[in-house]
Amino acid sequence: AQTVTQSQPEMSVQEAETVTLSCTYDTSESDYYLFWYKQPPSRQMILVIRQEAYKQQNATENRFSVNFQKAAKSFSLKISDSQLGDAAMYFCAYSRENDMRFGAGTRLTVKP
Amino acid sequence: KAGVTQTPRYLIKTRGQQVTLSCSPISGHRSVSWYQQTPGQGLQFLFEYFSETQRNKGNFPGRFSGRQFSNSRSEMNVSTLELGDSALYLCASSFLAGVYNEQFFGPGTRLTVL
Repeated sequence: AQTVTQSQPEMSVQEAETVTLSCTYDTSESDYYLFWYKQPPSRQMILVIRQEAYKQQNATENRFSVNFQKAAKSFSLKISDSQLGDAAMYFCAYSRENDMRFGAGTRLTVKP
Repeated sequence: KAGVTQTPRYLIKTRGQQVTLSCSPISGHRSVSWYQQTPGQGLQFLFEYFSETQRNKGNFPGRFSGRQFSNSRSEMNVSTLELGDSALYLCASSFLAGVYNEQFFGPGTRLTVL
């Protein structure tokens, strides 16, 4: 079964600094999708970034970028110029054939 | 456009009862997926509906069921509630079928089973 591992239960970053959240996954498939979702306190979960496994280029969305290492089965999220509004739980997720698996999440704290 | 809405937002039930949760997707979205979020098990996929058809179901017992109506609104039903069913139930909608597409989540329904 596919599993998603987020090894950092909590992370902290200073405002305006850069932080990287780690995610590894286990799969024997070559075609799949990876995601980072953000769940702010008491607010709705939103998609941060989506990566298609067959695409070599790392996805980016403004201050958010990923480092997708397919052979290593690693999918880390880099947040640049961290802002107070980035404080949230971040979930890494894997999807293939209409199944979705989430990691346990990383709680990110942003210090002013 | 209005976002995904879920009703009720909070619910308290007792063991053995059944419960129905409702989800209204973003206008024009025909896919609705359901997820269970608990401190112990984390986020788990329940099922996805597209055009009134269940496309896939996660590893949950038959007590968990759902349906989708012609207007794309979806309901999720849990029968014979157990204490372990206490969770935040999230629904998400997307324009295209498949949970691998961009999904928009609702605020969730927090179910407490006593």
